[in-house]
Amino acid sequence: QVHLQESGPGLVKPSESLSLTCTVSGGSINNDFWTWIRQPAGKALEWIGRVYPSGNTNYNPSLMSRVTMSIDTSKNQFSLKLDSVTAADTAVYYCARDLRPAMGWFDSWGQGILVTVSS
Amino acid sequence: VMTQSPATLSASPGERATLSCRASQSVSSDLAWYQQKPGQTPRLLIYDASTRAAGVPPRFTGSGSGTEFTLTISSLQSEDFAVYYCQQYNIWPVFGQGTKVEIK
Repeated sequence: QVHLQESGPGLVKPSESLSLTCTVSGGSINNDFWTWIRQPAGKALEWIGRVYPSGNTNYNPSLMSRVTMSIDTSKNQFSLKLDSVTAADTAVYYCARDLRPAMGWFDSWGQGILVTVSS
Repeated sequence: VMTQSPATLSASPGERATLSCRASQSVSSDLAWYQQKPGQTPRLLIYDASTRAAGVPPRFTGSGSGTEFTLTISSLQSEDFAVYYCQQYNIWPVFGQGTKVEIK
């Protein structure tokens, strides 16, 4: 069974960049599609974007100008970078797996990492 | 936009629970349901509107297509009290705001 684990700083200053990495174990990162989702405290889930094994990406239009995702298949890792963060970006960030070549559902999730934007 | 109703559903163990999810435009059958308990990761319950994910008990049933979808829990168990989210994936993934199922 595939296992996902997020890592990165838990505190980021306003206007700086948030950078997170997700490490995939128990399966090959080449076989599926990899997603970042976030959830502010007490609020709903928000899809951030998706990275393919090829390195191609799809982003949420509302975040597209600030998001960059990448993948390192040799390390079984993929990453998220969100620029110019504000307090509104404070959330639990999840990485997840999507099995469909087209957009789909998320059957495996990391445990989530809380990222707080504060000076 | 995905709109879920009600925002909160109060029910007793053993009762039937019906949760609704409405899409602002047709998403065909490209809809999933998740369960999230406090402090936990979302758990996939249903995909393609009506297909149960592996290990999901048969008391969970998804139905609908187009713009109207329903998640039915036939007989609430203590472990079913949680927040439930719908998610469409017809174009890009969009989640609803959630329905909290609480103990009456």
